[in-house]
Amino acid sequence: GNSVTQMEGPVTLSEEAFLTINCTYTATGYPSLFWYVQYPGEGLQLLLKATKADDKGSNKGFEATYRKETTSFHLEKGSVQVSDSAVYFCALSPTGANSKLTFGKGITLSVRP
Amino acid sequence: EAGVVQSPRYKIIEKKQPVAFWCNPISGHNTLYWYRQNLGQGPELLIRYENEEAVDDSQLPKDRFSAERLKGVDSTLKIQPAELGDSAVYLCASSRSGAGNTIYFGEGSWLTVV
Repeated sequence: GNSVTQMEGPVTLSEEAFLTINCTYTATGYPSLFWYVQYPGEGLQLLLKATKADDKGSNKGFEATYRKETTSFHLEKGSVQVSDSAVYFCALSPTGANSKLTFGKGITLSVRP
Repeated sequence: EAGVVQSPRYKIIEKKQPVAFWCNPISGHNTLYWYRQNLGQGPELLIRYENEEAVDDSQLPKDRFSAERLKGVDSTLKIQPAELGDSAVYLCASSRSGAGNTIYFGEGSWLTVV
């Protein structure tokens, strides 16, 4: 079946540090890939997505590239801010299906001033 | 545009009691989802509706959980009787029908069973 694996957390960084959060997936065909973010006290929000191999999703300074050969969708940001502190979830939606998300466990990011 | 609205935000009940959660999706979204998120885990799909039809309820524990989406708009998720292991966040989400559409989530209903 489909699955998403995220690196173990939590992650603590200083402001302006470089961020990488690893995500790999198992799925048949060509799923769509997503990063969702959950800020404290708020609901899940779509951060970015990519729907085919080599696509790069980007939003708010975050980027992730759909790598079919390594089945990965790592999240990166060049300079994190305190306001980026949140829980980040990687997710996939199967090929040809109505949007139906399978999530990773999530990772908590804390950015200190 | 209003987002997905859920209520109540927080609920504490004793085990064996019933509980119900309500969801109002984004206007025009035919697809509605209920997810459960356990502490430290990602959300897991419980049930998906296309209009008023439940098209995927394979992960819904049908012995104690039920859901309905009358008239294809609002939805209610019920647990009866609740067990300690049901403590979780229950997330409602909605999207337009069809593959590739973005799923929008509500803020969730936090359930604690004591």
